[in-house]
Amino acid sequence: QVQLQESGPGLVKPSQTLSLTCTVSGGSINNNDYYWSWIRQSAGKGLEWIGCIFPSGNTNYNPSLESRVTISTDTSKNQFSLEVRSLTAADTALYYCARTNILRATRSFDYWGQGILVTVST
Amino acid sequence: DIQMTQSPSSLSASVGDRVTITCRASQSISRYLSWYQQKPGTAPKLLIYAAYSLESGVPSRFSGSGSGTDFTLTITSLQPEDFATYYCQQSYKNPPTFGPGTTVDVK
Repeated sequence: QVQLQESGPGLVKPSQTLSLTCTVSGGSINNNDYYWSWIRQSAGKGLEWIGCIFPSGNTNYNPSLESRVTISTDTSKNQFSLEVRSLTAADTALYYCARTNILRATRSFDYWGQGILVTVST
Repeated sequence: DIQMTQSPSSLSASVGDRVTITCRASQSISRYLSWYQQKPGTAPKLLIYAAYSLESGVPSRFSGSGSGTDFTLTITSLQPEDFATYYCQQSYKNPPTFGPGTTVDVK
């Protein structure tokens, strides 16, 4: 059974950089059948896809956030990470990591982490 | 971006009721539509993908239909554990986008 677990700070100051990590267990992030996403949820914007990383290392980002985000992997630790720069209060949200099965034509998110609440505030 | 809308935004129902939730896309998305269930304090859970395919382990009382721009999630006989918020999500075009959600609460 695949499990995903987010980790990182719960409070970050405006203008700083947020770094979150998703640790995957029960499966390898190198498996070519899957790719890995970050999604956030806030009261103001609902569920918002941030971006994803493929087994090849290629990435794809939401154009609304592309200039401020980077997703990367650490295959030795079976983890992938999210960096969001130049934070504002609007980045306050519950951040999820999630998996997509490439073998399914429709790119749904079949496994999710439990989420981590990130607050941007002084 | 493709905009997703849902109706109603909330509904009240009783155990045993048939519940129908509608999702509409701002342009045709073929069958690239998924449905999720979210309970307070937990992550969304995939129920249906490709508009009508039931995710493994999801009870058969859940069903999906539709294609193009209009989709429906139906719960044939609502169970106590089904009171939750339901979201649709399109994956036809990047970025994937979600609907605003429909909350099903106790009548």
